[in-house]
Amino acid sequence: KAGVTQTPRYLIKTRGQQVTLSCSPISGHRSVSWYQQTPGQGLQFLFEYFSETQRNKGNFPGRFSGRQFSNSRSEMNVSTLELGDSALYLCASSWGLANEQFFGPGTRLTVL
Amino acid sequence: GIQVEQSPPDLILQEGANSTLRCNFSDSVNNLQWFHQNPWGQLINLFYIPSGTKQNGRLSATTVATERYSLLYISSSQTTDSGVYFCAVPFSSGSARQLTFGSGTQLTVLP
Repeated sequence: KAGVTQTPRYLIKTRGQQVTLSCSPISGHRSVSWYQQTPGQGLQFLFEYFSETQRNKGNFPGRFSGRQFSNSRSEMNVSTLELGDSALYLCASSWGLANEQFFGPGTRLTVL
Repeated sequence: GIQVEQSPPDLILQEGANSTLRCNFSDSVNNLQWFHQNPWGQLINLFYIPSGTKQNGRLSATTVATERYSLLYISSSQTTDSGVYFCAVPFSSGSARQLTFGSGTQLTVLP
């Protein structure tokens, strides 16, 4: 069974631009979560989707948004990029809301 | 929210040595995960262990939920074991769930 996939793997943007990241969960998994990892803040929860509904959101500004499609694939969007948004963005999937989570390889975003 | 603390923050070993990594959490949890982050950033699942002990090759983990801690044991360490080890616990909010991560243990295994 294929693992969690994320595209693109690397991305370079400039301040003020917007970016969309994609995540395809493990087949059969219905829950997708997003995390941001930075050297200063560590791993922080962004949001979780289940059955196309956002179930929870972390403490991030409204510039960070996401959605989930009927096939469980998820996208997250960051608008008006700031230098501090440079990070590794990790996506995780699980079968349900209280099950083991499996992570993708991540998207490394650099904002110049 | 729940607090997760990992110790030690850094650990340097000679190849072949054994090590114990600790994870303390501030509230009761119904599961706990251990991960190894590889040099490319991907989190690799090691254990899903809400309680008790599990073993997988040279690695084993024990969670004592009533005392709010978990231990990860690495025996006969190899250079490929180097990297950052994270524990994570869920913080439930209604029907939603998020993983709260510790700050990690940076393990370096020297040849």
